[in-house]
Amino acid sequence: NAGVMQNPRHLVRRRGQEARLRCSPMKGHSHVYWYRQLPEEGLKFMVYLQKENIIDESGMPKERFSAEFPKEGPSILRIQQVVRGDSAAYFCASSPRASGYTDTQYFGPGTRLTVL
Amino acid sequence: SQQGEEDPQALSIQEGENATMNCSYKTSINNLQWYRQNSGRGLVHLILIRSNEREKHSGRLRVTLDTSKKSSSLLITASRAADTASYFCATSGNNRLAFGKGNQVVVIP
Repeated sequence: NAGVMQNPRHLVRRRGQEARLRCSPMKGHSHVYWYRQLPEEGLKFMVYLQKENIIDESGMPKERFSAEFPKEGPSILRIQQVVRGDSAAYFCASSPRASGYTDTQYFGPGTRLTVL
Repeated sequence: SQQGEEDPQALSIQEGENATMNCSYKTSINNLQWYRQNSGRGLVHLILIRSNEREKHSGRLRVTLDTSKKSSSLLITASRAADTASYFCATSGNNRLAFGKGNQVVVIP
């Protein structure tokens, strides 16, 4: 059973370009979470999705950032018109159901975005 | 404000020694989890302790939880060089994990 897959592992973009980050959850997991980690910081929640639904996007910047988890295919985190401050590691996690009392979230290896 | 805050933030120990790190949080929780992150890698889940548990063991790991003080500790016994990593506590609630800033642990061979 493969773990959470993320690609690309490293992404370099120039200011103003778009960044698309992909996440394939573990088999059987229908809940996906995106987190961002700035250097020397812990992870910060961005968005929680189920198939075809955004459940909680309260951690997402209001502009330029969007996320989706279509019926088929990976979850996508999209950053439009990237700025240098978007440089960070973006982690995806999945769980078989809503992470409440006992469920653990399983993390992917992350995508490290560098904006030049 | 962050829900999890680890203390101390950096720890350097000799191989074979024990490493202890603490975490405090501010709100009520369902459970608290500890994760390890090796440099440049993703997070690996270590252990989960529920709000109605006080202590839990997993191999060389021992976690305590004091809900009255809103604090948790992670003890790694008989440390190894491979334990060198950052360790994060995370509280679970509202369908998300809230992470602290992490403890950097360096185990010197």
